[in-house]
Amino acid sequence: TQLLEQSPQFLSIQEGENLTVYCNSSSVFSSLQWYRQEPGEGPVLLVTVVTGGEVKKLKRLTFQFGDARKDSSLHITAAQPGDTGLYLCAGAGGGGADGLTFGKGTHLIIQP
Amino acid sequence: NAGVMQNPRHLVRRRGQEARLRCSPMKGHSHVYWYRQLPEEGLKFMVYLQKENIIDESGMPKERFSAEFPKEGPSILRIQQVVRGDSAAYFCASSPMGREQFFGPGTRLTVL
Repeated sequence: TQLLEQSPQFLSIQEGENLTVYCNSSSVFSSLQWYRQEPGEGPVLLVTVVTGGEVKKLKRLTFQFGDARKDSSLHITAAQPGDTGLYLCAGAGGGGADGLTFGKGTHLIIQP
Repeated sequence: NAGVMQNPRHLVRRRGQEARLRCSPMKGHSHVYWYRQLPEEGLKFMVYLQKENIIDESGMPKERFSAEFPKEGPSILRIQQVVRGDSAAYFCASSPMGREQFFGPGTRLTVL
């Protein structure tokens, strides 16, 4: 059974601080996607990383895919209250199932 | 271009009744995935369909659950004889080429 472990599970920081959340697995994935989910809504795709070592930037968010394509990180610079939400990583193509394998997510709260 | 549509958004059923959840993929997307999110759990893959075909149902419970994606109309996830343990949020995602998945807002099923 493939697992994606996300850490930390919960993170509460002040506006303006930087943070990094992690997504780790013992399995290799062909691609990894990061989503953000608001309460009562579906996950919204932020980015897809495909190549080992790949780095993608989305404004203040920086996503990195590990060289071995087993892990990923999301770094947020100068966090803002609008960044509050549940951040999910999901791996594709790591096994027999065609669906995504999701981590349980990091609950992020940015306090004003 | 409208996003993935799901209806109903909320569904209440009594034990033993049937639940039908509908998903209309984004225009031009021929790949549909269903996921279930239980309280305090991550999203779990259930089934992957293309038009008129079930490609992978490895995450679907063997009994009471079925899915279809007809040539015309939305994809349907059907749960027969619902039990309290079926209470969850059910999400549909669509994809143009089977990699990046875009999620709908979900259907919250409550079984009384």
